[in-house]
Amino acid sequence: GQNIDQPTEMTATEGAIVQINCTYQTSGFNGLFWYQQHAGEAPTFLSYNVLDGLEEKGRFSSFLSRSKGYSYLLLKELQMKDSASYLCAVVDSNYQLIWGAGTKLIIKP
Amino acid sequence: DADVTQTPRNRITKTGKRIMLECSQTKGHDRMYWYRQDPGLGLRLIYYSFDVKDINKGEISDGYSVSRQAQAKFSLSLESAIPNQTALYFCATSDLWGKAFFGQGTRLTVV
Repeated sequence: GQNIDQPTEMTATEGAIVQINCTYQTSGFNGLFWYQQHAGEAPTFLSYNVLDGLEEKGRFSSFLSRSKGYSYLLLKELQMKDSASYLCAVVDSNYQLIWGAGTKLIIKP
Repeated sequence: DADVTQTPRNRITKTGKRIMLECSQTKGHDRMYWYRQDPGLGLRLIYYSFDVKDINKGEISDGYSVSRQAQAKFSLSLESAIPNQTALYFCATSDLWGKAFFGQGTRLTVV
């Protein structure tokens, strides 16, 4: 079967750095997405990785290791507005999106 | 205007009633999806369509049906609503690389 694992919940302090991990076992791999979802709202696109390495976009970075089936999302200089759920999704060999359950990030002052 | 529009945004309905959720997109994508999200849980796929003539069941299709009226329109029906179908429903479309674009969501309550 196909499976994506993320921690259920994480807590971090405003101004700090947090890393959210995602491991996956899927039928093929054609890319990995990270989305942010505030409570009651639609998920919004954060990043896309298809090759190994780090993609940086402002305060957010995403890393991929295809050989390890592993990705992480790094959030720097945390702000209260970063309190949200972060969803990892993998595109499988049929170009189907396989979603993780999401990681709820709580930011404390 | 939003790229993916869902109507209604909120709906309260009674057990046993038929209800339709509508979705339209202006992205020009062939691929469209309906997801359900329950509190604390991830997105679960109900149905998906890779073009107008293609309809596929997702992991939780029982109790639901869909219609792809055009490339831009994909509707979800609950033939006889039950309380455990109370959830937040999202319509989405994706490009060829899988990047998904979501509607604002429909909060459905079945009483």
